[in-house]
Amino acid sequence: NAGVTQTPKFQVLKTGQSMTLQCAQDMNHEYMSWYRQDPGMGLRLIHYSVGAGITDQGEVPNGYNVSRSTTEDFPLRLLSAAPSQTSVYFCATRGTVNSPLHFGNGTRLTVT
Amino acid sequence: QQQVKQSPQSLIVQKGGISIINCAYENTAFDYFPWYQQFPGKGPALLIAIRPDVSEKKEGRFTISFNKSAKQFSLHIMDSQPGDSATYFCAARSQGGSEKLVFGKGTKLTVNP
Repeated sequence: NAGVTQTPKFQVLKTGQSMTLQCAQDMNHEYMSWYRQDPGMGLRLIHYSVGAGITDQGEVPNGYNVSRSTTEDFPLRLLSAAPSQTSVYFCATRGTVNSPLHFGNGTRLTVT
Repeated sequence: QQQVKQSPQSLIVQKGGISIINCAYENTAFDYFPWYQQFPGKGPALLIAIRPDVSEKKEGRFTISFNKSAKQFSLHIMDSQPGDSATYFCAARSQGGSEKLVFGKGTKLTVNP
């Protein structure tokens, strides 16, 4: 049982490049989300999904796209990376509304 | 605006001491207040959580105190150990099962041996 798996663990991009951060879960959780963590800023919600085919914006959605075609996967796309997107990205899932969030171990992204 | 204000940013305590981290909120619709613990290189993990119908919840050495009228809640770590050294985040979620969990900015706790 792997829980929440994020790939890659590290990534360096040049400004303007695109990439997809992967998140996969094997807990059959309907809710999946993406957070970014920056020093002194805590965790900020980017996008979330309450089930396949359903996504919504969080607190800081600009510059990011998501889709949810399956229960297991929730990729985060950066279409044109900017230095301001340098951050650690966490995927988090949960089961029922009153269940805790389960976080992956993060992807550290640097945009130069 | 910041919905959950957390203090202090960093905290150093001696082994065996009490660590106290405070959080304050404005939105009275919040009805679920978890604390997450994060070790370097790992994702946050739920430590303990409370709902506003109780004033205190204890799990082992960890206690949440909740003051609904003051809109404040705090985490107390009794008999702090070097293994407790981590970053702690308070969070809040509004009524009705809102999907958005908002986090404080975090407190880096260091427990010296």
